[in-house]
Amino acid sequence: QLQLQESGPGLVKPSETLSLTCTVSGGSIATSSYYWGWIRQPPGKGLDWIGSIYYTGITYYNPSLKSRVTFSVDTSKNQFSLKLNSVTAADTAVYYCVRHLRYGTLDYWGQGTLLTVSS
Amino acid sequence: QSVLTQPPSVSGAPGQRVTISCTGSSSNIGAGYDVHWYQQLPGAAPKLLIFRNTNRPSGVPDRFSGSKSGTSASLAITGLQAEDEGDYYCQSYDSSLSVVFGGGTKLTAL
Repeated sequence: QLQLQESGPGLVKPSETLSLTCTVSGGSIATSSYYWGWIRQPPGKGLDWIGSIYYTGITYYNPSLKSRVTFSVDTSKNQFSLKLNSVTAADTAVYYCVRHLRYGTLDYWGQGTLLTVSS
Repeated sequence: QSVLTQPPSVSGAPGQRVTISCTGSSSNIGAGYDVHWYQQLPGAAPKLLIFRNTNRPSGVPDRFSGSKSGTSASLAITGLQAEDEGDYYCQSYDSSLSVVFGGGTKLTAL
């Protein structure tokens, strides 16, 4: 059974860079056709797509975050990562990593990790 | 402001039928991209409920059904149960592979 697990610092100061990693187990991240994405959910609000990455390194970002976000993938560790710079309180959210086919369902989700931006 | 539009809340008595609408545009649903639905119970990650407009994953009761027409889609829940309370999200794509969501609908069993 495929499992995704987010990991990160939990707390980041304003203006700093947020870094999160998603570790995939039970399957290879280098699987043809599957994309690996990040979704976030501010407290009490809805779901926002941050972006997705293919195992070859091809990336697709939400235009509203594109200037601040960078994705990477490490196939040797079966991980993919997110960096979001110049964070503010508005970036406080639960961050989920997901798997999806191109134009397909988000069929596997991590449990989510809460990232708080505060001094 | 979400790309797809859902009602903020719906409610119904146990046993009743409720529907949740999801309205998009010619750039997403209307362009032919499939609609998928997710259920998020309190404190949990979203879970896939309906995929490719009308299909249920294994384990999802047949009380849940989906439909799509034009630039809109709907989720119907028949025989509403208290355990169905939670938030429901529709999801699709636009032409640049951007994932788009509805704002979510909070379902309450009265």
